[in-house]
Formats: sequence, C-alpha cells, structure tokens
Amino acid sequence: ILNVEQSPQSLHVQEGDSTNFTCSFPSSNFYALHWYRWETAKSPEALFVMTLNGDEKKKGRISATLNTKEGYSYLYIKGSQPEDSATYLCALHGSGNTGKLIFGQGTTLQVKP
Amino acid sequence: DAGVIQSPRHEVTEMGQEVTLRCKPISGHDYLFWYRQTMMRGLELLIYFNNNVPIDDSGMPEDRFSAKMPNASFSTLKIQPSEPRDSAVYFCASSFGDRGWTQYFGPGTRLTVL
Repeated sequence: ILNVEQSPQSLHVQEGDSTNFTCSFPSSNFYALHWYRWETAKSPEALFVMTLNGDEKKKGRISATLNTKEGYSYLYIKGSQPEDSATYLCALHGSGNTGKLIFGQGTTLQVKP
Repeated sequence: DAGVIQSPRHEVTEMGQEVTLRCKPISGHDYLFWYRQTMMRGLELLIYFNNNVPIDDSGMPEDRFSAKMPNASFSTLKIQPSEPRDSAVYFCASSFGDRGWTQYFGPGTRLTVL
C-alpha cells in the first residue's frame, strides 16, 4: 500500500514569514508528484506536477522541489500573505500509469495579518 | 472551458432516502474520479473510471454506494439507502491521461443526511 506523508499537519505563521513543508513518498514506486492548493469551502486546485529528480517548479511566491531518490518534495512559500491560507496537498502518481493519485493528508497553513 | 460540473451543490435528505450525485467531466478527459471529504479521513478516493469503465472501486464504503458512467460526459454516484454517516462533501474530478495526469476538481456536493 502506497503511503504519502505530509508534515507538519498544520502551521501558523505571520504575514511576511517564509515557510516550507514536506511531502514524503515511497521512492521505489514513483511516476509523478503533484501539489494542490485547497482553500476552505472550495475545491483543490493544481499547483505543480513534477516528474524528474531535482525538478524545481515556481509559481509566483510558491515553489517546489523534488527528490525522487530519497522520496520527498518540499513546498516553499516566500513572504506568506493571508491569501496563502489554505491546505496544501501533495499526491503521488505511482508507477503503472493507472491515473490514480494517492493524496497525503495535507498541511494546513494559516497566515495571520 | 466550463470545468468539472457537479450537481446538486447542496443536498439535504433524510435517512433511508436515495441520493444521486451527478458529474460532468471536462470535455476530452478520459479519467473520472469520485472522492469524499470527511474530517476523519480527509480526501478519500471512492471509485475511478477510465474511458467510462470502472477501474478501481475498492474505496466504495459498502454496497449502498454505486457509481456509473454511461458515457464520456456524465457520471453518477448513488447512495441507497442513505445514512447520517454518509454526510460529507463529495468531489468529482477528471483528468487526461496523456497530459501530466493533473486532476481537475469540481466544486463538490455537500450532502447532509438527517
């Protein structure tokens, strides 16, 4: 059974702080790693898809890195703003091309003004 | 593009009643997923389809739940009979296998079973 772990479970930061969180996955069964942003009362929205070891993706103040050999990905938010408050989900697309994503439990970020 | 469309957005029903949730995936997508969001389990996959064929229904909680995809543009998730513990937000998502596998989520249906 594939298991995707995210830490921390929740995070409270002040506006302007930079923050990062971790997604861990089994490195032996990797095809792609997805990050989603999920605001309260909305639906998850895709941020990044990463497939190659060493991949780095950036979208505004949010960036992500990938290490497939050791099975982890980091999501960074530079200069957090209140509108960044959301749950950030990572999801593993395992090898086998089944189309199915295994989601982590998410990291909930709260940015205080 | 309209995105994934789900209906109804909210459903309140009484225990024992049949509930049908509907989903229209993004045109051209060949995968469709049904998820349930609860406080206890987070986002859990119930069932998914590829080219209208169910591939994995191992997440369907019990026989009271069933899902169909009669064509590429429509899917239903049915609960019969409904129970209070079925109360949750149900999301439908679709993806295109040859374009990175990113899943696009609908707005969700909030189901309350009294």
